[in-house]
Parts: sequence; structure tokens; C-alpha cells
Amino acid sequence: GQQVMQIPQYQHVQEGEDFTTYCNSSTTLSNIQWYKQRPGGHPVFLIQLVKSGEVKKQKRLTFQFGEAKKNSSLHITATQTTDVGTYFCAGGGSQGNLIFGKGTKLSVKP
Amino acid sequence: DSGVTQTPKHLITATGQRVTLRCSPRSGDLSVYWYQQSLDQGLQFLIQYYNGEERAKGNILERFSAQQFPDLHSELNLSSLELGDSALYFCASTKVDSSNYGYTFGSGTRLTVV
Repeated sequence: GQQVMQIPQYQHVQEGEDFTTYCNSSTTLSNIQWYKQRPGGHPVFLIQLVKSGEVKKQKRLTFQFGEAKKNSSLHITATQTTDVGTYFCAGGGSQGNLIFGKGTKLSVKP
Repeated sequence: DSGVTQTPKHLITATGQRVTLRCSPRSGDLSVYWYQQSLDQGLQFLIQYYNGEERAKGNILERFSAQQFPDLHSELNLSSLELGDSALYFCASTKVDSSNYGYTFGSGTRLTVV
């Protein structure tokens, strides 16, 4: 079945360092969404990418959608302790639901 | 407050028992999705309802069932509970029946089976 793979599973960084998480799908995606889940919290929608090669920015966060619409990345510049949490990518499934990756858990050492 | 309400927040029950988790979607949203999140696991899609009708089914066990009522709230029923069913159960809602809209998640129900 359709799968969305995400790497790395864990990332530990020093505050101020950059962070990137990668997402790959076994099939072409119509869209990709990114979510953030703080420790003890629920997933919160960050952004959606739809077009091939699309790049979107939210302050220190940069989101990219691959040309083939099978991969995506989230890059955080100069991490802060408030960036701590698990970042999930999710692609549209064949039934109209979202298929989530397993997430990348980011920890930031002050 | 995301606007999606889940009750109860915590539930502790014994193996073999049956529980019901409740979700009220955000005002105006017609679609409800249920996800299971186990330790170190991602969000596993269980089932989706749109305006009272089942739309999509994921890896939902036969012991689990769900429904969406006329007032659009949804209930997830888990029966013959096993230790492995212990997890966080999230519901999410969207206005329409599409993966092209961001999901709004509730704060989840943490189920512990002992």
C-alpha cells in the first residue's frame, strides 16, 4: 500500500544549528502537508504544498516539494528551544485521507 | 483550543472491556477522521466519516467500530480490549471530504489498557 517514509527518526541539535527532515513517498502525491506535534500535544497543521518544485517559507521554516512530487523537506534555520517537537509529513491517500510519515522528533539543547 | 473536542482525555480500563471515545468536530466541518498513535509510531489512519457516511477505512481492527451522528459528532468504539490497544487516539476534522485541506486535530484520548 501507499507509504510515506520520513527520516531521520530523531535529531538532536544545539540551539542555533539548522535542522532538516525529509519525506519520501512510494507514489506520486497530489499534495503534501506538514504538521508539528509538541510534547504532550496534538498535531498542528503547518502548511500544504501542491505544485511540483514548490517552495514556501514561514519565518525560519522552509518547505519544499520535489519536482516529481514524491518527496518533500522541511528545513529550520537557527533552531530555537521553541522548535522542539515531532514534525510529520502527510500525503494524500488513494481514499482521500492523509497518510502520515512516522515523524522526526527534534530536540534542541540550549 | 483547536475547536475539535475529544472526551474523555484519559481512560484506564481492563483487558476485555469495551470503551467509547467521543469527538465533536470544529463548527462547520463535515468530515471526521480517527487516528491511532502508539509510542514511537506515527499516526495510523483508522477510519473517516463525511456527513454521517463512512468514506474511507484504514488499518482498523474488526474489534473497533465507529459512527458519525446527525449532529456530526463521532464515536469510536473499541471492544475486547487488549494491552496493545493502549495508545493515543486522535480525531481530526475538515470542512470537506478531501485530503487537500489541513486537518484540525483534537487533543486526543489517552487509552491505557491494564
